[in-house]
Order: sequence, then structure tokens, then C-alpha cells
Amino acid sequence: GAGVSQSPSNKVTEKGKDVELRCDPISGHTALYWYRQRLGQGLEFLIYFQGNSAPDKSGLPSDRFSAERTGESVSTLTIQRTQQEDSAVYLCASSLTWAGNTIYFGEGSWLTVV
Amino acid sequence: GQNIDQPTEMTATEGAIVQINCTYQTSGFNGLFWYQQHAGEAPTFLSYNVLDGLEEKGRFSSFLSRSKGYSYLLLKELQMKDSASYLCAVRDRGFSGGYNKLIFGAGTRLAVHP
Repeated sequence: GAGVSQSPSNKVTEKGKDVELRCDPISGHTALYWYRQRLGQGLEFLIYFQGNSAPDKSGLPSDRFSAERTGESVSTLTIQRTQQEDSAVYLCASSLTWAGNTIYFGEGSWLTVV
Repeated sequence: GQNIDQPTEMTATEGAIVQINCTYQTSGFNGLFWYQQHAGEAPTFLSYNVLDGLEEKGRFSSFLSRSKGYSYLLLKELQMKDSASYLCAVRDRGFSGGYNKLIFGAGTRLAVHP
């Protein structure tokens, strides 16, 4: 597509439920990032994918968080047993390569855990 | 460790010039990015510096000094629409030693007044 596409744009879920957030990067972009942004705060790195290399998962806050990416296409971020502190916007970004000097963000998935 | 510092808030007058500073301490460095983020929207790319010096792009300029761990974003001829958060981000080493982790500061909220 023309830009980074994320879905759902908004999600309200009950505490304890699992959620899946999807990211469709710009076609041909090998590098893909997931970030979390709590209200009024900066972007918190979660995970990075580069081609077929092992992902950098060093930013995942707990084992309730996981992410997958099939080749150089769609990525899914899964949060299990959601907690209220998981409420945030989850932003996905992609760039042509790891060295790309332009990294494009999607509009984000706004998650509210009630 | 990783530390990226920016002022929390700034105010300026329409038509004026404002400089937003960013200092960083990271384990590695492979480029510094500036992003603009309007409330409720995704960050949009403004500039990228990897070598020392000034990069100019229209009303926006960005400066980098790697030896000082310092950058600034300069906005000229301020317009009301420039009211937004400005995010400084450094590309740092990832877990595998490659440069694949983009670390963000908390952002600077700029308010432009008539």
C-alpha cells in the first residue's frame, strides 16, 4: 500500500482478554518496528524485525507480549491477558532497510483495557 | 544506558524562530532523527542527521554534533500549525550489535501563539 497500515484503529477490551494488533508495512520495506506510546509520553521501543533475521525483542515489557512477522510482510503484535497498564497507542513503523534514513509510521492502534 | 533528553514544553510566537535541543547518551550511534507529532496522530518524519553539521529543509533545519551528543531542530517563520510535539530519536545498537533500534526522547510540546 501507499503507507503503513494498522488495524484495528481502536480497540476496547476487557482486562484479562487477549488482543491482536496488525501492521501492514509499506511494500518492499524490510525493516519493521513496533512502539508503544502511553498518553502524553514518548515512544517506547518494543520489537524490531529485519528481513529474515532474528527479531530484536529486547523492548517487550513482559512475556504477555509477543510479535510475529511473516517474511517481509504483515506483522502481528499479540498481548495476552491484557492489563489496564497496557492501555496505549501501539505504533508500527517501517523503512526500506535497517539503515533507511526515513522511517514511516502508521496511524497506530489505540488500545483501551477496561 | 540510553538517555535522550529534550525540554518538556516550549512556547513561541507566530513568525518567530525556535530552537529545540536534544542531548543523547547511547551505547552506539548511527543517525539522529526528528519527528513531528500532532495530538492523536502518528509521528511524521522531519529530518535525519548522521554526520556533523546542519541540514536545511525549508523552514526546518537540524544540527548534529556527535562529539557533544547534541542536536537541535530549528523552526523558522513559525506558523500556528507548527504547534505539535517534536520527537528526537537516535538509532542505537540492537541486541545483536547491529544498528536497528530507534530510541526516542519523551518529546517537546511546542505551543505557537499569535
